[in-house]
Amino acid sequence: QVQLVQSGAEVKKPGASVKVSCKASGYTFTNYYIHWVRQAPGQGLEWMGIINSYSGETGYAPKFQARVAMTRDTSTSTVYMEVSSLRSDDAAVYYCARNSYEDLFDYWGQGTLVTVSS
Amino acid sequence: SSELTQDPAVSVALGQTVRITCQGDSLRSYSASWYQQRPGQAPILVISAKNNRPSGIPGRFSGSTSGNIASLTISGAQAEDEADYYCNSRDSSGHHWVFGGGTKLTVL
Repeated sequence: QVQLVQSGAEVKKPGASVKVSCKASGYTFTNYYIHWVRQAPGQGLEWMGIINSYSGETGYAPKFQARVAMTRDTSTSTVYMEVSSLRSDDAAVYYCARNSYEDLFDYWGQGTLVTVSS
Repeated sequence: SSELTQDPAVSVALGQTVRITCQGDSLRSYSASWYQQRPGQAPILVISAKNNRPSGIPGRFSGSTSGNIASLTISGAQAEDEADYYCNSRDSSGHHWVFGGGTKLTVL
């Protein structure tokens, strides 16, 4: 069965960076793109960007273009999302989600809580 | 426009039908999909605008689009349907995706 398993919760100081992983299993990793979505406490879902698991090509929401980097490791079927220069308003649950052939977010990771606190 | 607009909250009596809407210019060009999120859980896909449901999603969930408005209809709402619902589509450029602000559904 398709699974996306994310890394554990992180606590970071303002100005630091955080790197969240998303390990895929149950399907051919390179056949699907992966999205990253975040959700601040009590807020809605916010699309951050997408990575082509085959080529590594990325596309980011304008808001995140300067501070977010998405990469992948095909040998381990893992996608990574790094946010640099963390601010307090980056505190959120970060999700990875698979992009289906019909352009749907068909499978989601369990989420990774990132806390930003001095 | 890159925005999708949803009503913040909707309520429905148990067993009745409710429609949750999502409005945006990009919906004239791109299909919408709908996601259910219960408290403390990751979102799950419930329907596409082409009215396709993943396995395990009850048949009372259906989707449609007319012009720039996508709709999620729950026919005979159940207590377990109480959740936040988000629409999603590509933005007008086609290169990015965007979520609506979400609708909190209360089943009375």
